[in-house]
Amino acid sequence: AQTVTQSQPEMSVQEAETVTLSCTYDTSESNYYLFWYKQPPSRQMILVIRQEAYKQQNATENRFSVNFQKAAKSFSLKISDSQLGDTAMYFCASAPPWYFGNEKLTFGTGTRLTIIP
Amino acid sequence: NAGVMQNPRHLVRRRGQEARLRCSPMKGHSHVYWYRQLPEEGLKFMVYLQKENIIDESGMPKERFSAEFPKEGPSILRIQQVVRGDSAAYFCASSPQRTGTYEQYFGPGTRLTVT
Repeated sequence: AQTVTQSQPEMSVQEAETVTLSCTYDTSESNYYLFWYKQPPSRQMILVIRQEAYKQQNATENRFSVNFQKAAKSFSLKISDSQLGDTAMYFCASAPPWYFGNEKLTFGTGTRLTIIP
Repeated sequence: NAGVMQNPRHLVRRRGQEARLRCSPMKGHSHVYWYRQLPEEGLKFMVYLQKENIIDESGMPKERFSAEFPKEGPSILRIQQVVRGDSAAYFCASSPQRTGTYEQYFGPGTRLTVT
């Protein structure tokens, strides 16, 4: 079974600054997938970024990047040049290898991020 | 291409009634996942279905909950004899197939309130 832990219930940062959200996970598999999802006040779940565990290179999507430390089972999200629209709950999630035949997501408890104007 | 549709968006039921939540996946998608989000918590996996098959229901409570995804029509999550603890947001996500790309598209959720 996979577990995902987010130890920062809330964070706030000034607009235009950089913020890093932490996530650790546990799995017995060597290949798996990791995700960051954003849930704004509308509650729509939006995929922010995805990382495949067998890829060494950290994933990047515009202002969003991850620091993936496989040995430490750590998967942090960095948001650069933060914007007011980044205010949301952020969930870290994991999924088992594709050969399990099931891509169900295991979520952490979330970090509530507030961008201050 | 319309996104994942869920209805109703809000559902109020009295204790003991039945709740039916519907999920219409994106066009061409044949896999559906249901998740539940209790207040102030993350989403928890409930069930994974393919057309006419339940693949994994390990996250579903053993009693009162059932799910189906018929050949035609939306996926249905059914909760019988609802209790206050069932109050939550229920999300479905659809994906095209087991390609290993891990593309799950989420619906807007149904917020169930049990009074």
